[in-house]
Amino acid sequence: DTGVSQDPRHKITKRGQNVTFRCDPISEHNRLYWYRQTLGQGPEFLTYFQNEAQLEKSRLLSDRFSAERPKGSFSTLEIQRTEQGDSAMYLCASSLVGATNEKLFFGSGTQLSVL
Amino acid sequence: DQQVKQNSPSLSVQEGRISILNCDYTNSMFDYFLWYKKYPAEGPTFLISISSIKDKNEDGRFTVFLNKSAKHLSLHIVPSQPGDSAVYFCAARPGAGSYQLTFGKGTKLSVIP
Repeated sequence: DTGVSQDPRHKITKRGQNVTFRCDPISEHNRLYWYRQTLGQGPEFLTYFQNEAQLEKSRLLSDRFSAERPKGSFSTLEIQRTEQGDSAMYLCASSLVGATNEKLFFGSGTQLSVL
Repeated sequence: DQQVKQNSPSLSVQEGRISILNCDYTNSMFDYFLWYKKYPAEGPTFLISISSIKDKNEDGRFTVFLNKSAKHLSLHIVPSQPGDSAVYFCAARPGAGSYQLTFGKGTKLSVIP
């Protein structure tokens, strides 16, 4: 069990640029989640996949945000035309649906700074 | 509208004593609750959970108590150790298999040696 892996750990970008983050879940997990955490707040749900299907995306913050999980394994989160308000920690988590007391395992996150 | 509230942003406790972290919720649909611990520059790590059919769950030094009528839960750590110093998040969801966790803002615990 190598845990949930996220890349990069840190990203600094200029306003207006596009950024993409990658998440590799725990290999046998079929659910993958994206959360965002800003300073002083708890993680905020954005979207999730079950296998390759994106089953909930209404909580994505705007149409500048999109996520994919093309083969049901790793996932990417893209933010287009970044704004300073996008600066946050982006967390990925995975879980095994159907497990007793299903719980989320989080990665270390990608810290985004938009200048 | 915050559905999960942790009203104490911080808590300091002497090593060896009990730490009690509190959490209140407003959504009566929540019936599964979790505590996560977070160190700086790391993602949250699952600590302990409780289903609404129980009022207590214990795992080693960690015990979670649930009072459904008061919509209140608490995490007890005894004895507290310096390595327990972290931010603790309370989270809730409507059902053990539901996909979406709602988190509180967290309580920063400092255990003083």
